[in-house]
Amino acid sequence: DTGVSQDPRHKITKRGQNVTFRCDPISEHNRLYWYRQTLGQGPEFLTYFQNEAQLEKSRLLSDRFSAERPKGSFSTLEIQRTEQGDSAMYLCASSLWGSNTGELFFGEGSRLTVL
Amino acid sequence: QKEVEQNSGPLSVPEGAIASLNCTYSDRGSQSFFWYRQYSGKSPELIMFIYSNGDKEDGRFTAQLNKASQYVSLLIRDSQPSDSATYLCALLADRGSTLGRLYFGRGTQLTVWP
Repeated sequence: DTGVSQDPRHKITKRGQNVTFRCDPISEHNRLYWYRQTLGQGPEFLTYFQNEAQLEKSRLLSDRFSAERPKGSFSTLEIQRTEQGDSAMYLCASSLWGSNTGELFFGEGSRLTVL
Repeated sequence: QKEVEQNSGPLSVPEGAIASLNCTYSDRGSQSFFWYRQYSGKSPELIMFIYSNGDKEDGRFTAQLNKASQYVSLLIRDSQPSDSATYLCALLADRGSTLGRLYFGRGTQLTVWP
C-alpha cells in the first residue's frame, strides 16, 4: 500500500496521560499536514511541514501538542497531559507541493478517546 | 482568517435526482477550491478541484466557481445511494504566510434515498 498510513488507528487513554501518533506519508510527498476533526465539523488545521521544517502551527494549538518530522519522512504528533476535549479524529495528509493540483491525500486517521 | 461556509444540511434527495451543495468563502483572493467526500468514519477523499470561473464536469459531478460572488458549488447528477456522505468544501491558501494550507468548511451531509 503506497497511501498515507497512520498508527494507531484507535487510542483510548485516561485523562492526564501522554499519547503519540505516527504518520507515514506517501514517499515522494514533501508536505505533511496534521488536522483534527470532531463530529459534525470539518477538519481543523493543526500544523504542517515541508520536508523536516515545521512551517506553521495553529494558534489554537496549546503547548501540550507537539509535532516532529525529523528526517522529512514520517511524522509524530504528541499530546501531553491529555484532556477530554482532545478526543477527536487526528488526520494526517501529505501532498507534493509544486504539483498542479495541490491535492492533499489523507490517511485513515487516528481516533483518540480520552476518558 | 479564511472562512469557508457551507449550507449545513442535512440534504436529502431521492435516487436519480440532482443534489446541489453550496459553499461560500471570505477571501476574495483565493484561487483554488476542492470538494472532498467523507464517508462516515472514513477520511476525506478528493472528488474535484477547480481553479477557473465557470463549470468543470467529471462524470456525474460538476463543480461551479464564481469568484466575483465568492461561491463554489457541487452538483451531483443522477444521485445514487452510494453518494450518501459528507461533502467538504475547501480552499487552498495560495499566498502569504499560510501558503499551502487547506481550509475546510464544516461539511454538508447528503443522504440519497432509494
